[in-house]
Amino acid sequence: GAVVSQHPSWVICKSGTSVKIECRSLDFQATTMFWYRQFPKQSLMLMATSNEGSKATYEQGVEKDKFLINHASLTLSTLTVTSAHPEDSSFYICSARDPGEHSKNIQYFGAGTRLSVL
Amino acid sequence: LAKTTQPISMDSYEGQEVNITCSHNNIATNDYITWYQQFPSQGPRFIIQGYKTKVTNEVASLFIPADRKSSTLSLPRVSLSDTAVYYCLVGDHTGRRALTFGSGTRLQVQP
Repeated sequence: GAVVSQHPSWVICKSGTSVKIECRSLDFQATTMFWYRQFPKQSLMLMATSNEGSKATYEQGVEKDKFLINHASLTLSTLTVTSAHPEDSSFYICSARDPGEHSKNIQYFGAGTRLSVL
Repeated sequence: LAKTTQPISMDSYEGQEVNITCSHNNIATNDYITWYQQFPSQGPRFIIQGYKTKVTNEVASLFIPADRKSSTLSLPRVSLSDTAVYYCLVGDHTGRRALTFGSGTRLQVQP
């Protein structure tokens, strides 16, 4: 299947600093990528839809000024957690759909980024 | 978006066949049914996808009745490494909308 690479896999930062997470589609071009957040023992919650060349679409309750998304190319989307606080500590996961006809809307997920804010 | 309902948890033993059923009563005509597996601290991994009847690949089978209001993921001869959370998702084939995750089924395989 298609490969989505996410970096870093784990980051620890001080409260008030910003953290950037990268999501890359390695063997296909993705006009749309998605960002999820997952708290321990819970399911994935969609945060935003990242569209190449345009503004991201955020889910209700997700602060767009806090979670900055940039999708500058067809293979890269970034999520920046600005002024991070301990409550932002979570597991962040990106996904992208392989637009090849054979894939029928199979979304491929990155390995996730564990963010710990001290 | 079609909502899915799955059992919260299931237990099994190594070598047994495990069937996880998912209900999706409001599935739309264009919707596909996709199953993912997630291990702790990892992103979900695609298992299988289907539209109707039966689909089989090297790791699982997916059974979908004619009314498509439910589906069953079948894992043959599970091993300890199959212990994970399994998610059933329903979505259209365009991929323009994100997948909506339900609570998933936590499968525990014991020796």
